[in-house]
Amino acid sequence: GNSVTQMEGPVTLSEEAFLTINCTYTATGYPSLFWYVQYPGEGLQLLLKATKADDKGSNKGFEATYRKETTSFHLEKGSVQVSDSAVYFCALSDRYTGKLIFGQGTTLQVKP
Amino acid sequence: EAQVTQNPRYLITVTGKKLTVTCSQNMNHEYMSWYRQDPGLGLRQIYYSMNVEVTDKGDVPEGYKVSRKEKRNFPLILESPSPNQTSLYFCASSLGQGRETQYFGPGTRLLVL
Repeated sequence: GNSVTQMEGPVTLSEEAFLTINCTYTATGYPSLFWYVQYPGEGLQLLLKATKADDKGSNKGFEATYRKETTSFHLEKGSVQVSDSAVYFCALSDRYTGKLIFGQGTTLQVKP
Repeated sequence: EAQVTQNPRYLITVTGKKLTVTCSQNMNHEYMSWYRQDPGLGLRQIYYSMNVEVTDKGDVPEGYKVSRKEKRNFPLILESPSPNQTSLYFCASSLGQGRETQYFGPGTRLLVL
């Protein structure tokens, strides 16, 4: 079945450090891939998405590229800020049911 | 403002007392869904609806009911809540299923004593 695996956290970085959060997936066909972010006490917000192989999603300095050959969708940011501290979820969408299948989430803490 | 709203945001109840969590969206979305989030288990889909009067089970439907009588509303009903339904619940909606972005509500934190 479909599944998503994320690197375990927590990840602690200093401000302006480079961020990578690894995400790999298993799926039949070509699902859409998403990164969602959850700030403390809030719901999930879409950070970026990609709908086909080699697509690059980007938003607020974050980027991720849909790599079909490695079944990966790693999240990167060149210079993190304290305000980026949150939980990040990688997800894929089941094309038949629309169900989002989430990774376990990675907590990012950025220190000044 | 385009949004998904849920009510209540917080609820403490006792075992067996029926409750309903409401969900409403103002984006004319066809697809709506409920998820629960639990530590160590992540986010799991409870039920989904592809359109009015069309609902289906997700991964963890036991103990829950839903209805979709209007396009904008998708209430989650717990007819006889039990402590294992203590969780954080999210409603989501999208234009369709598959490639569309799902937009999430702010969440409802439920404690069943």
